Amino acid sequence: GENVEQHPSTLSVQEGDSAVIKCTYSDSASNYFPWYKQELGKGPQLIIDIRSNVGEKKDQRIAVTLNKTAKHFSLHITETQPEDSAVYFCAASFDSGGYQKVTFGTGTKLQVIP
Amino acid sequence: DTAVSQTPKYLVTQMGNDKSIKCEQNLGHDTMYWYKQDSKKFLKIMFSYNNKELIINETVPNRFSPKSPDKAHLNLHINSLELGDSAVYFCASSPLRERGVMNTEAFFGQGTRLTVV
Repeated sequence: GENVEQHPSTLSVQEGDSAVIKCTYSDSASNYFPWYKQELGKGPQLIIDIRSNVGEKKDQRIAVTLNKTAKHFSLHITETQPEDSAVYFCAASFDSGGYQKVTFGTGTKLQVIP
Repeated sequence: DTAVSQTPKYLVTQMGNDKSIKCEQNLGHDTMYWYKQDSKKFLKIMFSYNNKELIINETVPNRFSPKSPDKAHLNLHINSLELGDSAVYFCASSPLRERGVMNTEAFFGQGTRLTVV
């Protein structure tokens, strides 16, 4: 089955600096890569996603890159703000018998220090 | 509000008891899920249902029995609760396809923190 590794497990940055979280996946059939943000006491919420036919996607301060050959994808947050502090999950998804099979990474706790 | 809602938010119970967690989505999605998040924040899928039909059952003990009375509801019943069942349980839903594309965003509920004592 699919295996998603995520690094680092914790990340502290100064406000205004950039944060990068990296994930690798094992199954070349994976073709959808969402990133979720989980704030304290809440459920994960999608912040950005990328499909396998795209190498990079950007949404304001957030960008995701995908290298299909190397099977890794990364989340980049620029000009970090205290409200970016949360746990971030990457995920890899593929079509399994007509249904979506999603595997999550192990999460990265991001702390933005004011 | 359109959302995935699950109840209760907190559940404290003794070992050996039976409990249920309810989940409802009013997003019109075809697929619903139950995830377990342990103390280290690992998110692991337990079950996936599509239009009331079980699609995925990820090596979950048979003390856990999901029930989907209709495609908007997916409840989780747990028998003979054990200490190791303590975790946060998340319900989620997603459309089967979006603009013809299979893999799509999942919408999560707020979670149910289950504590078994």
